[in-house]
Amino acid sequence: ETGVTQTPRHLVMGMTNKKSLKCEQHLGHNAMYWYKQSAKKPLELMFVYNFKEQTENNSVPSRFSPECPNSSHLFLHLHTLQPEDSALYLCASSPRVTYGYTFGSGTRLTVV
Amino acid sequence: QQPVQSPQAVILREGEDAVINCSSSKALYSVHWYRQKHGEAPVFLMILLKGGEQKGHEKISASFNEKKQQSSLYLTASQLSYSGTYFCGTEIGGAGGGNKLTFGTGTQLKVEL
Repeated sequence: ETGVTQTPRHLVMGMTNKKSLKCEQHLGHNAMYWYKQSAKKPLELMFVYNFKEQTENNSVPSRFSPECPNSSHLFLHLHTLQPEDSALYLCASSPRVTYGYTFGSGTRLTVV
Repeated sequence: QQPVQSPQAVILREGEDAVINCSSSKALYSVHWYRQKHGEAPVFLMILLKGGEQKGHEKISASFNEKKQQSSLYLTASQLSYSGTYFCGTEIGGAGGGNKLTFGTGTQLKVEL
């Protein structure tokens, strides 16, 4: 347990489904992040939230929609995904930007 | 643009030393180092913020050469628990760098008896 909890751990969804990934931290951190980790590829930054405000969208397709209702919770809403979106989605938090990240264990997503 | 890590993979016998390098084509504001074991979350090892700075974490240390835009991670007297994939994450300095951390492709390290 790292202090950052992600649910679900595994998710299989069809291309027409709508699902959401949840990330929760009670470390008192003010910055939260979504990263995508695909096989044989580096970790890809998707979104950054700082004090609940989105400060970075790394050209992510609109079928991924983030939501940060408060500094402790981060969601990633998914709809009409493609098979190439199958990957491990990692949430991370840090006390503020330019501090070390605490990662969650990730959600393994498979799009069929 | 992602930093380049070398080597891609390394196998060590317990007690041996290793160096992992991370190079960027852009000026760096900071460098992070993480280790990820199979099926687990990446774990933060250290962050380096100043040029020429060296930090240590048990028998793992790192240096940051701001002029050369590169960082090196040093693992001494390796232990079985050091096995995993090591990632560097770089934050670009100057205007537009912001808080965007870009990760390298990783170095797979395996320590054997």
